[in-house]
Amino acid sequence: GQSLEQPSEVTAVEGAIVQINCTYQTSGFYGLSWYQQHDGGAPTFLSYNALDGLEETGRFSSFLSRSDSYGYLLLQELQMKDSASYFCASLDSNYQLIWGAGTKLIIKP
Amino acid sequence: DGGITQSPKYLFRKEGQNVTLSCEQNLNHDAMYWYRQDPGQGLRLIYYSQIVNDFQKGDIAEGYSVSREKKESFPLTVTSAQKNPTAFYLCASSIVRDRGNYGYTFGSGTRLTVV
Repeated sequence: GQSLEQPSEVTAVEGAIVQINCTYQTSGFYGLSWYQQHDGGAPTFLSYNALDGLEETGRFSSFLSRSDSYGYLLLQELQMKDSASYFCASLDSNYQLIWGAGTKLIIKP
Repeated sequence: DGGITQSPKYLFRKEGQNVTLSCEQNLNHDAMYWYRQDPGQGLRLIYYSQIVNDFQKGDIAEGYSVSREKKESFPLTVTSAQKNPTAFYLCASSIVRDRGNYGYTFGSGTRLTVV
């Protein structure tokens, strides 16, 4: 089977840097994705890592280590609008995304 | 602009009633998905379809039904057999055969409440 584990909640201060971790167990691995979801809204795609290393998109970066079955999302220069839930997801052999339970990011002024 | 349209945004269902949630996409994506999300929880897959006239059960298909008669449309029916249907329902689409960047595009969701 496949599963992705991430913390349920993370708290950080506006302007700071925060890291949201994701560990996975998969029968096959086809990359790790990250999505953002604001309360009451739809998830939006943030980033994707197929290979080891860091992918940077503006204030957001995502990292993958396949040997450790581990990835993280890094958010820099936190803004209040970054308060949301963040999901990691991985593709299974049937082309279906398997989702983590989500990490709620709380940002304090 | 291309995207996914879900309707209605809010839906109220009486006990024992079937209701249908609409999902239409103009992204020319092969695959479409229905997810259920309960408060504070992650996404659970109800049904998915990778090609017209074919669909597969997800993890929580009981009490739901779907059809895929057109590439653009993937309606979800919540039947009276679904005993706890109050939830946020999300439709998504993707390019199915690409094992590369398989970002899903989501609709804005339908919030279903049993009254």
